[in-house]
This record gives sequence, C-alpha cells and structure tokens, in this order.
Amino acid sequence: GQSLEQPSEVTAVEGAIVQINCTYQTSGFYGLSWYQQHDGGAPTFLSYNALDGLEETGRFSSFLSRSDSYGYLLLQELQMKDSASYFCAVNRDDKIIFGKGTRLHILP
Amino acid sequence: DAGVIQSPRHEVTEMGQEVTLRCKPISGHDYLFWYRQTMMRGLELLIYFNNNVPIDDSGMPEDRFSAKMPNASFSTLKIQPSEPRDSAVYFCASSAQGFNQPQHFGDGTRLSIL
Repeated sequence: GQSLEQPSEVTAVEGAIVQINCTYQTSGFYGLSWYQQHDGGAPTFLSYNALDGLEETGRFSSFLSRSDSYGYLLLQELQMKDSASYFCAVNRDDKIIFGKGTRLHILP
Repeated sequence: DAGVIQSPRHEVTEMGQEVTLRCKPISGHDYLFWYRQTMMRGLELLIYFNNNVPIDDSGMPEDRFSAKMPNASFSTLKIQPSEPRDSAVYFCASSAQGFNQPQHFGDGTRLSIL
C-alpha cells in the first residue's frame, strides 16, 4: 500500500528549533511538499523538494532523501504563530498523497 | 490578486438532500483539485481537472459524488443524495502546473449532514 507516517503531535518551546519527520512507503513518488494549516483555516504551501537535499526558506527548511523515503521540516526560532498542523505530501506527475498531519504545540 | 474562492463557507442540511459546493480557481491556473478533510481520514484528493477536463476521479468515494468544470473559472462538487458520513470540510485548490507546483487552497466548505 501507499502511506506516509508523521508524528501526530510535537511540542516545543518558543524560540527553539523543532524537526517534523515524514517517512513514506510509496512507489514512484519523487517530490515532497509541506503545508501548514491553522485551526479552522486552509492548508498553505510551505516548501517543495523535487531533489534530494535541503531547501531553505526563511525560518523554515525542508529535507528529502528519496533513497531513504524520508524527509523532514525544520522550523527555527519558533514563534507562537507557528502553532498549527503540518502536513507532508508526496507526489508524482498524476497523484498526490498527504500525511495525517503533525500538530505542533508551542510553549511560551 | 484574489485567491481560490469557495462557497458556501458552511452548509448544514438533512440527509437525502442535494449539496452543491462551488469553487473559483486562481486565474491562469490550469489545475483544479477537490479535497475532503476529516479527522479520521485526513486530507484526501477526490478529483482533479487539467484545463477543465477531469483527469483522475479515483478518489471520489461513491457515485453519489460528481464534479464538473464547465469553464476555466468555475467548478462544482455535487453530492446527491447526501449522507451523514459525508460531513467534512471540502477544499478546492488550484495550481499553475499540477502536482509539482504549490497548490493554493480555498478557505473550504464545512459541510454537516444531519
């Protein structure tokens, strides 16, 4: 079958760094995306890895290793507004599958 | 620029009724996606269109669900007849070039079937 695994919840402290992992058991998928969703809101795009390695966008970075079927999202200098759910998604040309999401709790 | 626009934002109706959800994608985006989100199943792709043509509807749960895209600026998702298990948040999203590009989501329609 095809599935993505990510932790259901993660807790971190304001100002700290947190990493959210995503592993997948799928065939033929080559891109990894990350989306953020606040309670009651819509998913918003954060990053996309088309190639192996690290992509950096401001405080957020995303990593992909296709040989390991593994990726992660790294959030630095955490702010209270980063409290949200984070979804990884893998895609190929004709399909996309989302993980169940990781709820990030940030403590002051 | 306006983002993806969905209507209605909330819909409450009785089982057996027909429900129509509407979506206006971002102008110039060739791809339109319909998703359903529930706590149990997460975010599921129901169907997507490329240049107004349905490409893959394998995610549509049953024949009670249908989607159309009569032109580049409008799409509908219809449920007939509706059932309580259809209660969910339905999102429409669009992108410029398919799955390799960021998808822009609308605010969603929160559907409750009583």
